[in-house]
Amino acid sequence: DARVTQTPRDKVTEMGQEVTMRCQPILGHNTVFWYRQTMMQGLELLAYFRNRAPLDDSGMPKDRFSAEMPDATLATLKIQPSEPRDSAVYFCASGFSTGWVDEQFFGPGTRLTVL
Amino acid sequence: AQTVTQSQPEMSVQEAETVTLSCTYDTSESDYYLFWYKQPPSRQMILVIRQEAYKQQNATENRFSVNFQKAAKSFSLKISDSQLGDAAMYFCAYRSGWGGSEKLVFGKGTKLTVNP
Repeated sequence: DARVTQTPRDKVTEMGQEVTMRCQPILGHNTVFWYRQTMMQGLELLAYFRNRAPLDDSGMPKDRFSAEMPDATLATLKIQPSEPRDSAVYFCASGFSTGWVDEQFFGPGTRLTVL
Repeated sequence: AQTVTQSQPEMSVQEAETVTLSCTYDTSESDYYLFWYKQPPSRQMILVIRQEAYKQQNATENRFSVNFQKAAKSFSLKISDSQLGDAAMYFCAYRSGWGGSEKLVFGKGTKLTVNP
């Protein structure tokens, strides 16, 4: 049963600390999306990659957030330094594209709490 | 930019009854896709149903069906024979068609309660 995995599932940290969230896309998928869910803003795209190259990161605060794909089986989202307003659930989704993703498969999310 | 509006923050339904969740969207594009996602307390986002804008026929998946009104930019979800397991947050989402952005644009969600 192929699925997207995310670690950690929950993370509590203090303001100013670095946070790294990891995502393992479904094997064979070449497109990875990062979304953030908050009560106020709802679900919003932060960034997405195809074949490990960023296609759109316009939703991501550039000063403290960074997203990378070290290899095809791992995507990372890093926040440095973290702030209380970063508290949210961060979802990773993956899909296969030959020019366009048909369906995005979501992971279970990482709930981040910044104190 | 495209926007998606879900005007019902919360809805409730009796088990075995039918409920309809509303969604409207705004776009200037002619080619796009619409989705309903379910998010139970486990947080997992689950695709319930999808609709291609170029298809006039409303999509159906078992007890779930949509009423897609393209001219009115309306996309409602009907759940028939509601079950306790249907209790969740439901999100309506929009995606551009071929050549456009692949990101999903979500509404704020509707919390559905199913009463036994």
